[in-house]
Amino acid sequence: KQEVTQIPAALSVPEGENLVLNCSFTDSAIYNLQWFRQDPGKGLTSLLLIQSSQREQTSGRLNASLDKSSGRSTLYIAASQPGDSATYLCAVRPQTGANNLFFGTGTRLTVIP
Amino acid sequence: EAGVAQSPRYKIIEKRQSVAFWCNPISGHATLYWYQQILGQGPKLLIQFQNNGVVDDSQLPKDRFSAERLKGVDSTLKIQPAKLEDSAVYLCASSSQPIGGNTIYFGEGSWLTVV
Repeated sequence: KQEVTQIPAALSVPEGENLVLNCSFTDSAIYNLQWFRQDPGKGLTSLLLIQSSQREQTSGRLNASLDKSSGRSTLYIAASQPGDSATYLCAVRPQTGANNLFFGTGTRLTVIP
Repeated sequence: EAGVAQSPRYKIIEKRQSVAFWCNPISGHATLYWYQQILGQGPKLLIQFQNNGVVDDSQLPKDRFSAERLKGVDSTLKIQPAKLEDSAVYLCASSSQPIGGNTIYFGEGSWLTVV
């Protein structure tokens, strides 16, 4: 069974810093990996989706990388801002079996002004 | 483009009572998901529909949870009777296809507190 782990569980950084969030998964047979953002009291907003054949995806100040063979993904946030404060979740979609997402428990990010 | 709509946003009920949540997916999306997210955890799939058929309900506690998508558009998730451990956010999501590189879009969730 696919298990997804995110480290650290919580992170506080001063505004302007670059930071990296980590995600690992146990079964490398994935179709894609997706990073989401969740604000308090809100649903999930998709940030980046990386297909299994891709190494990275970029959107603005966000860059996500994928190393499928080692079961790892990172989300890099450049020049962090207080508005980036949220919980970041990664999720993998397996190649076979269930056609849904397996989520990690998230990293709660606080950017201090 | 309208997003995934869910109601009610918040509900407080006593244990053993029943509750129902409604979801309207993005127009044209054939695949609809219900996820349960307990505080401090990642979302967990309860049930997945493709049009009006169930694709996966292996994680749905069928003794108390039920879901339907009669016309292949909106969906209802029901809990009866509710237990304290059912306190969670119930997230509805939709995508245009069940597999492939399609993004899954989530609603804002229905927050359930069972007391």
